[in-house]
Amino acid sequence: SQQGEEDPQALSIQEGENATMNCSYKTSINNLQWYRQNSGRGLVHLILIRSNEREKHSGRLRVTLDTSKKSSSLLITASRAADTASYFCATDASNYKLTFGKGTLLTVNP
Amino acid sequence: KAGVTQTPRYLIKTRGQQVTLSCSPISGHRSVSWYQQTPGQGLQFLFEYFSETQRNKGNFPGRFSGRQFSNSRSEMNVSTLELGDSALYLCASSLGLSGRSSDTQYFGPGTRLTVL
Repeated sequence: SQQGEEDPQALSIQEGENATMNCSYKTSINNLQWYRQNSGRGLVHLILIRSNEREKHSGRLRVTLDTSKKSSSLLITASRAADTASYFCATDASNYKLTFGKGTLLTVNP
Repeated sequence: KAGVTQTPRYLIKTRGQQVTLSCSPISGHRSVSWYQQTPGQGLQFLFEYFSETQRNKGNFPGRFSGRQFSNSRSEMNVSTLELGDSALYLCASSLGLSGRSSDTQYFGPGTRLTVL
């Protein structure tokens, strides 16, 4: 079963708007990571947040982590058409194993 | 630094055949993980290797196997292919030195396997 579940499954916004994606997981973790995948290609690492961190920023990305609710959110500000991709959260609840959610498909319309 | 490379990029096989996929990690990375991605099941972890040792494996049948060489390059093999094995197979490398937790994974472009 999936450890992380992203919400929503799909999101369509206009360029310039902000996009928020959520991830919920089931068991305690050491860290949570967010990845992006352009259609049918490899995943690109976006950001890693450790279990003792609550918020992290990287450029236009902001990630929050609430371990009490077992949830994380990824905010992309001022979105661009090039941000169109699937976004996955991944958790490491098990040794040396990343478990991915099914992803959020983000479409940014020009 | 060169990224993770996977060969071949595309493969077409028929049921019952076997296939070997190859992955070359980023130089200096000692951990290689393999994932299967399908529209229905999403990304599923197959196994992880570090210094030629398998440290963890997912819930896949024994037809799926892997190995890692002393130069950290890795191969995965699928025997007796089934239609359901059609998928994008991704490998990812990392330093692998952070204890039990997972480092940032650097993914290759994947091998698209089609089983007819």
